[in-house]
This record gives sequence, C-alpha cells and structure tokens, in this order.
Amino acid sequence: GESVGLHLPTLSVQEGDNSIINCAYSNSASDYFIWYKQESGKGPQFIIDIRSNMDKRQGQRVTVLLNKTVKHLSLQIAATQPGDSAVYFCAEMVWGKLQFGAGTQVVVTP
Amino acid sequence: DAGVTQSPTHLIKTRGQHVTLRCSPISGHKSVSWYQQVLGQGPQFIFQYYEKEERGRGNFPDRFSARQFPNYSSELNVNALLLGDSALYLCASSLTGTVNEKLFFGSGTQLSVL
Repeated sequence: GESVGLHLPTLSVQEGDNSIINCAYSNSASDYFIWYKQESGKGPQFIIDIRSNMDKRQGQRVTVLLNKTVKHLSLQIAATQPGDSAVYFCAEMVWGKLQFGAGTQVVVTP
Repeated sequence: DAGVTQSPTHLIKTRGQHVTLRCSPISGHKSVSWYQQVLGQGPQFIFQYYEKEERGRGNFPDRFSARQFPNYSSELNVNALLLGDSALYLCASSLTGTVNEKLFFGSGTQLSVL
C-alpha cells in the first residue's frame, strides 16, 4: 500500500538563481545555530554555523542571517547549482543537544 | 582522514528482536551522539556520550541504551523492537561535546523493522 509520511516544504529554484531557505526556532535561550544539508542516503553535512552574538555570517556561496527578535534564521545560497539539490535543516543547540527543524527540500531545475 | 563511520549501513529486523548499531568517531573526537531520523523529519536526539559517560539523554524509552568504549567508539542498542523504531540512526562526533561545538555526522544505519 501507499506509505503516508510528512511532506517537506519544497523550494524549487532555477539553476543560477539565489535560494533563500527560512527557519523559525523555538528556544529564545538558544545561542548557537547550524545549517545542515542532507542528500538522499547520507547523513547531515555541516554547511555553516552562527552564534547568537552575530546577525550575519558568510561562507563560500552561503550566508546565514539570524534575527533573534523574531527567532528566525535563514540560509541564502548564491548561484544555486544542481549539486545543491538536497534537504536543508536548521538546528539550534539547546542544552548541548541539537534540535532540528522539519527541513526544506530544495530542487534545482535546469 | 576518515569521517564518522557507522555499521551496518542497512539492517532488517522483526518486531521483538534487538539490534546493536556501531559508530566510530572522527579521529581525535571524544564525544559521540546518537540521533534517530524518521522518514520526512529532522533527526531527534537520543544520547550523548563523552569519555564513556552519558552526558545527555533524549525522550526515548528505556529500550534504547548506549555505551562508549575507551577508544571513543560507541554502540546503540535497541531492545524489543517496534515497527515505529524503523528509521535512519545517525551517529555524530565532536571534539569534546561541549555546548556550541560543531557536530559531524556519519551516513547512518537504516533500520527496518518488519
């Protein structure tokens, strides 16, 4: 029979365009946040992190923005490539344990 | 350098059986954490170990247990398996397991309970 499961939010983006993935976190006391990329059949891969004393951090083609006022995190990917197709998770560190969001499926179209 | 390695990669069990999953951390990392990832969801924290001591435990029943060995490798044991235990089990390692430290994940063990 057909399996029923949660359907991840999906972001469809054209190759070469910029992607923005949003995440709301729950704990106002969280002071460390990480974005992970997970490809099918693999474990989460670290992309970029940010501490609460910052509101922006840049890596190679990626930028993370943190808005503590509204407890919102975003990941921007510049010039999205086919290899960026994956599920992206934001995670907050709560008492030494990572608490993951639900994830966003990014699909890069040619 | 090898990353976090987990074995086996796939496993099929039946209800009521028990299972042991294994993890070797990145060389030099002393802390290991275990996460359960059900299809379509983010990983959920199960355990953290550092220097063979349990440092944290998530909201999982006592059927779940783990240990860490002197070489910092770790085992996750699940007894009396239920259908709902079917998931990807992820191991992550970090240097000391302190707060606000990067976690590096392995590729996981896909457990199917029939």
